[in-house]
Amino acid sequence: GNSVTQMEGPVTLSEEAFLTINCTYTATGYPSLFWYVQYPGEGLQLLLKATKADDKGSNKGFEATYRKETTSFHLEKGSVQVSDSAVYFCALSRMASGSRLTFGEGTQLTVNP
Amino acid sequence: DAGITQSPRHKVTETGTPVTLRCHQTENHRYMYWYRQDPGHGLRLIHYSYGVKDTDKGEVSDGYSVSRSKTEDFLLTLESATSSQTSVYFCAIRAGAGPTSYEQYFGPGTRLTVT
Repeated sequence: GNSVTQMEGPVTLSEEAFLTINCTYTATGYPSLFWYVQYPGEGLQLLLKATKADDKGSNKGFEATYRKETTSFHLEKGSVQVSDSAVYFCALSRMASGSRLTFGEGTQLTVNP
Repeated sequence: DAGITQSPRHKVTETGTPVTLRCHQTENHRYMYWYRQDPGHGLRLIHYSYGVKDTDKGEVSDGYSVSRSKTEDFLLTLESATSSQTSVYFCAIRAGAGPTSYEQYFGPGTRLTVT
């Protein structure tokens, strides 16, 4: 079956540090890949997506590249801010099975000033 | 904003009682989903719907039922609530109709506590 593995958290960084959150997946076929972000007390917001191999998704300074050869979709940001503190979820979806999302466990990021 | 609301936003109920959570959308999306969020598990799919009266099970469907009698509303029912169903419940819709439009947008969530 499909599965997503994220690096374990929590992750604590200082403001302006470089961020990487690792995500690898197992899936048949060609899934679409997503990063969602959840701020405290809120629902999930779509951060970025990629639908085919070598696609790069980007938004708000965050980037992730769909690497089929390594089955990975690592999230990166060059300079984090305190406002980036949140939980980040990697997820995949395939058109089969109703396009359901399969999530990783989530990574808590805390950015200190 | 995908026009998704959930009600109630918070609920405390006793073991053995039935509970219904409502998801309402305003943009006529065909696909709707119910997920639960628990620490250490991310989000897991309970049920989803691909049209009025068309539903299917997800990975954690035991103890839950759903109904969709009109496009805008997707109801999740806990037939006899148990403490293991204490969780945060999120509704989502799938945006877009193309073959690669798989992204989902989420409601604000319902925090359910079963005592």
